[in-house]
Amino acid sequence: GAVVSQHPSRVICKSGTSVKIECRSLDFQATTMFWYRQFPKQSLMLMATSNEGSKATYEQGVEKDKFLINHASLTLSTLTVTSAHPEDSSFYICSARDFGGETQYFGPGTRLLVL
Amino acid sequence: QKEVEQNSGPLSVPEGAIASLNCTYSDRGSQSFFWYRQYSGKSPELIMSIYSNGDKEDGRFTAQLNKASQYVSLLIRDSQPSDSATYLCAVNNEGNQFYFGTGTSLTVIP
Repeated sequence: GAVVSQHPSRVICKSGTSVKIECRSLDFQATTMFWYRQFPKQSLMLMATSNEGSKATYEQGVEKDKFLINHASLTLSTLTVTSAHPEDSSFYICSARDFGGETQYFGPGTRLLVL
Repeated sequence: QKEVEQNSGPLSVPEGAIASLNCTYSDRGSQSFFWYRQYSGKSPELIMSIYSNGDKEDGRFTAQLNKASQYVSLLIRDSQPSDSATYLCAVNNEGNQFYFGTGTSLTVIP
């Protein structure tokens, strides 16, 4: 149980375009989802926390207008990188936690390359 | 002071040895503790969770928790080359906020 999927697994786009990444909890209802970013050989960096039906809470230094997060249902959260630039190239990972749960389960990640 | 601190390593152990990974945390009210493994280029996967003082064993893995010392560790017995990865300690603090350490890189040498 506790499976989280992400789509796409890999995306290459041109600078200035927007990219949407989906995160789904497949066998449980995720009241809270988290979005992380990880640059090569660096640690996980939490970008934002989203609760179903409410606005996401962004970490300091993360631009909410650039990284749009929608958590419209208990099984789906999306992260949209707007007007992507090469410095946004990174490994984006989501995780999910069910109601009352304390464990975070991670998706497989999405590797974004902006040319 | 960081919420969760780990020695970044790298830690190298020979195959078959015991690997010992350590983690300290700052919020004394923390109740839940987790170890994740992350292979290079992959996302983290949960190895173990521990909630009570003492040891918890699962196969070759043993998690140890000492709340008085605010210390949690992971022992890997009979280490295998496939255990080579970065190990992340995570803590759910009293405010139900989840914090990760920066991870310890482990290399098991054949």
